[in-house]
Amino acid sequence: EADIYQTPRYLVIGTGKKITLECSQTMGHDKMYWYQQDPGMELHLIHYSYGVNSTEKGDLSSESTVSRIRTEHFPLTLESARPSHTSQYLCASSEGQSVDTQYFGPGTRLTVL
Amino acid sequence: KQEVTQIPAALSVPEGENLVLNCSFTDSAIYNLQWFRQDPGKGLTSLLLIQSSQREQTSGRLNASLDKSSGRSTLYIAASQPGDSATYLCAVNGQAGTALIFGKGTTLSVSS
Repeated sequence: EADIYQTPRYLVIGTGKKITLECSQTMGHDKMYWYQQDPGMELHLIHYSYGVNSTEKGDLSSESTVSRIRTEHFPLTLESARPSHTSQYLCASSEGQSVDTQYFGPGTRLTVL
Repeated sequence: KQEVTQIPAALSVPEGENLVLNCSFTDSAIYNLQWFRQDPGKGLTSLLLIQSSQREQTSGRLNASLDKSSGRSTLYIAASQPGDSATYLCAVNGQAGTALIFGKGTTLSVSS
């Protein structure tokens, strides 16, 4: 059982609000990832981190930002939410060595009205 | 650029059938291939991971094979049950600690 958590699980919010999606893991993994998944579509990487103070943007353009101040915590922030940000956001982590299984959190389903 | 394709997109079978889900990828230079299960509105549960040097992995009623040279993997589910109903995702990465490239998934429905 993977120990990776996301809050909130569901969020409905109005346009223009600032939101932060939380992700934390207790496995001590250096590598963490944020993926975005629209209904019926593939997951696409939007941000990743190789360790503390290391963040990079993924292939899918996103207006969100991330930070990695502690190994276990990788929050994602939207400064001004828009309806186009409505999607499911999935956080994952991995050891980054040998077998390198990626473990996923339960996801946050975001709806921006 | 790596692309992952899963066929079929949807599959309906009666309980007890054995079935095969297919995954293909365009760049054979992969590090790992992972199969996941996703229930509606939920996160992903890792089912099996095959390293590039391996040919197959087994877990209970699940068996995943990998043919890296041809860019193909299959997930075999034996004696399917209604509880197996979910979307199955295939994903690959090119190096350890890098992001996964996902297919769109196969949505499986097993009727009792």
